Amino acid sequence: AQKVTQAQTEISVVEKEDVTLDCVYETRDTTYYLFWYKQPPSGELVFLIRRNSFDEQNEISGRYSWNFQKSTSSFNFTITASQVVDSAVYFCALSGYNFNKFYFGSGTKLNVKP
Amino acid sequence: GAVVSQHPSRVICKSGTSVKIECRSLDFQATTMFWYRQFPKKSLMLMATSNEGSKATYEQGVEKDKFLINHASLTLSTLTVTSAHPEDSSFYICSVPTSGINTGELFFGEGSRLTVL
Repeated sequence: AQKVTQAQTEISVVEKEDVTLDCVYETRDTTYYLFWYKQPPSGELVFLIRRNSFDEQNEISGRYSWNFQKSTSSFNFTITASQVVDSAVYFCALSGYNFNKFYFGSGTKLNVKP
Repeated sequence: GAVVSQHPSRVICKSGTSVKIECRSLDFQATTMFWYRQFPKKSLMLMATSNEGSKATYEQGVEKDKFLINHASLTLSTLTVTSAHPEDSSFYICSVPTSGINTGELFFGEGSRLTVL
């Protein structure tokens, strides 16, 4: 079965702290894709990153970085030097090779305080 | 700019009435669109896959007579909540998968918050 688990329901940090959001997935597919989305208070989900199952290279984009480890079925997301604008709910998601279905984790609410 | 547009963003209706939510793909043609429902502090639950020119595919447990989906064109899908009741109050989000160079990226609409009194 396909499943995404985000064990952290809510995290609060002070601005400039680093924070890591955990994501663990389950799938029987050999080809799959992993995603992170941000949902600010306005409600619209914003795409952050897509990773395919054959690419385990870590990725860095500005203050954001992602650590994909197939051995532990994890796809963790780190925000360095967090800012108040990073406050949002972050969702990790999984899809099969044909993108016909997306499975979302329950989301992690990040509160960044000034 | 927005790639997917939903309308209305907020709607309040009386119990027993029907509400229609539109989802438009602004930048590309979409043969498939997804409809999700999000409860407060909960994840997104896939309700159905809207298919242009054919019937929608509903997820297990979703009443197709309650949540009518019509994919009228390659840029428009509508979700109609029929005979709405307070328990239908929720945040409904549509999404459009991309193809081509961005295959796999899922663009989301702004969401529609339905409150049934």
